[in-house]
Amino acid sequence: SAVISQKPSRDICQRGTSLTIQCQVDSQVTMMFWYRQQPGQSLTLIATANQGSEATYESGFVIDKFPISRPNLTFSTLTVSNMSPEDSSIYLCSVGVGQGHQPQHFGDGTRLSIL
Amino acid sequence: DAKTTQPPSMDCAEGRAANLPCNHSTISGNEYVYWYRQIHSQGPQYIIHGLKNNETNEMASLIITEDRKSSTLILPHATLRDTAVYYCIVQSSSNTGKLIFGQGTTLQVKP
Repeated sequence: SAVISQKPSRDICQRGTSLTIQCQVDSQVTMMFWYRQQPGQSLTLIATANQGSEATYESGFVIDKFPISRPNLTFSTLTVSNMSPEDSSIYLCSVGVGQGHQPQHFGDGTRLSIL
Repeated sequence: DAKTTQPPSMDCAEGRAANLPCNHSTISGNEYVYWYRQIHSQGPQYIIHGLKNNETNEMASLIITEDRKSSTLILPHATLRDTAVYYCIVQSSSNTGKLIFGQGTTLQVKP
């Protein structure tokens, strides 16, 4: 399994600002993903972070709002841009280790509140 | 949309077996069944997965029906620490890696 660290663990931000969330893995991984969990809801996939190329976004999520970087096989960032109260959520990073059918491992998330 | 249906909530007495059902009637031949759980304020935790055979590990057992249209996750001796939301997810063997979460089952283990 992989150990995943997310920073910050929580933050309170002002409307209109942006926040970058970091995801660090203790080993090289093939796949990295970003999810959003709105209050009282299940997880929704935002995008797949691709190493060395642009992220692949799911329907309803766009790069201008959620720019993602993945400079190497152990690190990724998600930026939540021009935040509004509707962006108040938990943002989670997950990784897939190895090839074929392997489980994903999740960080404990970044709890974000927008005032 | 999620391809699975689960009861929204269940209770279980501490020390007893917890049996969590999942319906996946539209599952394809190359799709696996995965179970994760999310304890409050933590990220989801992988439990077990299977294709068509029953599986067991140190955490749980997974029973998949012969037609693969449903499955049951069994926690053999539930403890208070097993209180969590349990998610049943089907995932293609093409393994884009994407997980589509449904609403899951909130399991409350009671003393």
